[in-house]
Amino acid sequence: SQKIEQNSEALNIQEGKTATLTCNYTNYSPAYLQWYRQDPGRGPVFLLLIRENEKEKRKERLKVTFDTTLKQSLFHITASQPADSATYLCALDGNQFYFGTGTSLTVIP
Amino acid sequence: GAVVSQHPSWVICKSGTSVKIECRSLDFQATTMFWYRQFPKQSLMLMATSNEGSKATYEQGVEKDKFLINHASLTLSTLTVTSAHPEDSSFYICSARAASSYNEQFFGPGTRLTVL
Repeated sequence: SQKIEQNSEALNIQEGKTATLTCNYTNYSPAYLQWYRQDPGRGPVFLLLIRENEKEKRKERLKVTFDTTLKQSLFHITASQPADSATYLCALDGNQFYFGTGTSLTVIP
Repeated sequence: GAVVSQHPSWVICKSGTSVKIECRSLDFQATTMFWYRQFPKQSLMLMATSNEGSKATYEQGVEKDKFLINHASLTLSTLTVTSAHPEDSSFYICSARAASSYNEQFFGPGTRLTVL
């Protein structure tokens, strides 16, 4: 069965630094990989989607990379702000849709 | 942007009763809707996928007779938890995908179900 791991359950960084979150997967070949943000008690909010034939995608302070050989995606938030504090979920999108366990990011002022 | 609503946002019920949760896409037609369950500090677990006008496809381990899904129109899907028990207490989230989208899903705000 497929397995999705996100680097750590919690990540604390200083404001202004770049946060890097990792999503590794096995036993699956998704056509797309997506990243979502989830705040406590709320549904996830879509951030970025990257296709299997794309290496990198950017949106404002966000950058996503996708390495289908390593089966890994990296999610970067540059110039992080306290408002970026949330749980970030990666999701594999192929024949089926699977979410990772999420990484809780705290940006310290 | 695409907006998905859920109703109710929270519900408390007695064990043995049934609860219906509605999921609506407000400004687009959702050809496919998904229902997820999320326990505290865990990720979202897909329960079922429903396409308008056809029967829902349930994930392994999800009882279709307990979690009834009806996708009656392109803007409405309902999840009914029948004969609810305390272990069904969870955060239920729906999402919708439009035919014209790049495959991203638009999520509702979730429904917190507590079964006493």
